[in-house]
Amino acid sequence: GQQVMQIPQYQHVQEGEDFTTYCNSSTTLSNIQWYKQRPGGHPVFLIQLVKSGEVKKQKRLTFQFGEAKKNSSLHITATQTTDVGTYFCAGPDAGANNLFFGTGTRLTVIP
Amino acid sequence: DTEVTQTPKHLVMGMTNKKSLKCEQHMGHRAMYWYKQKAKKPPELMFVYSYEKLSINESVPSRFSPECPNSSLLNLHLHALQPEDSALYLCASSHRTGGSNEKLFFGSGTQLSVL
Repeated sequence: GQQVMQIPQYQHVQEGEDFTTYCNSSTTLSNIQWYKQRPGGHPVFLIQLVKSGEVKKQKRLTFQFGEAKKNSSLHITATQTTDVGTYFCAGPDAGANNLFFGTGTRLTVIP
Repeated sequence: DTEVTQTPKHLVMGMTNKKSLKCEQHMGHRAMYWYKQKAKKPPELMFVYSYEKLSINESVPSRFSPECPNSSLLNLHLHALQPEDSALYLCASSHRTGGSNEKLFFGSGTQLSVL
């Protein structure tokens, strides 16, 4: 099946610092989605990227899809305590028509 | 705030018990999913129903039995579970066919403990 790796696994930042998580796939992805899961919560959809080189912004969050459609990143500018949680990328499972979640990056924001 | 409702929120069961998890959505979605999530791990797909038909079964043991009575409801019947089955069970829905390009709406999950 698909292997979608995310780095780092954990990140602790001081409030106000920037944060980036990277998602890497061994195969080309038709699309990639990002989800956020707060502690004790459930995954919530953030965004979907479809085009090669696509960049989308949501307030302080910037999402990128690589030119080869094998990697993606999520960058948060000036983190806030409300950004705490685990960020998952998700892409199509190789040879199957279902979504496969990456390993996730757990973000802690220190006030 | 989720529009996918799961009950119960918490469940403790013994290895000989039979229990069911329930999921409901009223967004008109035609695909529904069960995911299993262990602590500090990503969600793992178990089953996908598309238009009330089971379309994906990710080699899940038979002690987990899904059921989709109609397009709004999804059940997961549990029987003779093992302690390693303890996890958060998430239900999700999406608009159409359950394909990998569809946005998932998750419920709050059922935290299951098997003793």
